[in-house]
Amino acid sequence: EEQLVESGGGLLQPGGSLRLSCAASGFTFSYYTMNWVRQAPGKGLEWISYINKNSTTTYYADSVKGRFTISRDNAKNALYLQMNSLRADDTAVYYCARVSGGFDMWGQGTMVTVSS
Amino acid sequence: DIVMTQSPDSLAVSLGERATINCKSSQSVLYSSNNKNYLAWYQQKPGQPPKLLIYWASTRKSGVPDRFSGSGSGTDFTLTISSLQAEDVAVYYCQQYYDTPWTFGHGTKLEFK
Repeated sequence: EEQLVESGGGLLQPGGSLRLSCAASGFTFSYYTMNWVRQAPGKGLEWISYINKNSTTTYYADSVKGRFTISRDNAKNALYLQMNSLRADDTAVYYCARVSGGFDMWGQGTMVTVSS
Repeated sequence: DIVMTQSPDSLAVSLGERATINCKSSQSVLYSSNNKNYLAWYQQKPGQPPKLLIYWASTRKSGVPDRFSGSGSGTDFTLTISSLQAEDVAVYYCQQYYDTPWTFGHGTKLEFK
């Protein structure tokens, strides 16, 4: 079964750092570009980062540029999001999503709460 | 950035009736070299991740019921549910993947009348 499973979320104070992981299984991870998308409580969807198949190209939303870093390890079938200088408005469920004519597969998400 | 504007914000439809959700992009998402519209539709139920329904504006993802259809080109798009079923109550989002930052509409909440 094809699936994506996020982990690494939690509660932390403003200014803190966190690394999210997304484990892929059931498909050839290295064939796909990947993204992170987040959703603040009760709000809509916000795309935040993209990485291509071989990690040579990354993109970021302005809201996270310079603070977040996307990466992947195709040997481990894993996607990562390093989040630094976290702010209260980064509080959200973070989803990893696979690209295939739109975002055709999503994980269940991991919750990140930034609060003092 | 390409702004995606959905209408209406919410919609109440009777069981078995048609539901129509509109999405307008602030610039064209039609890529002339391949004549494809880089527009997708998603369904999200409470506590669940979004689910891809339609991509390339009108291609239904495998396994999605054929009561769901997408249409439109350029800047104006529509998601139609031909006969509303109980399990279709959800929030629906459009998204452009023509250019970064990839942007979503704010969502349309579909409810029973």
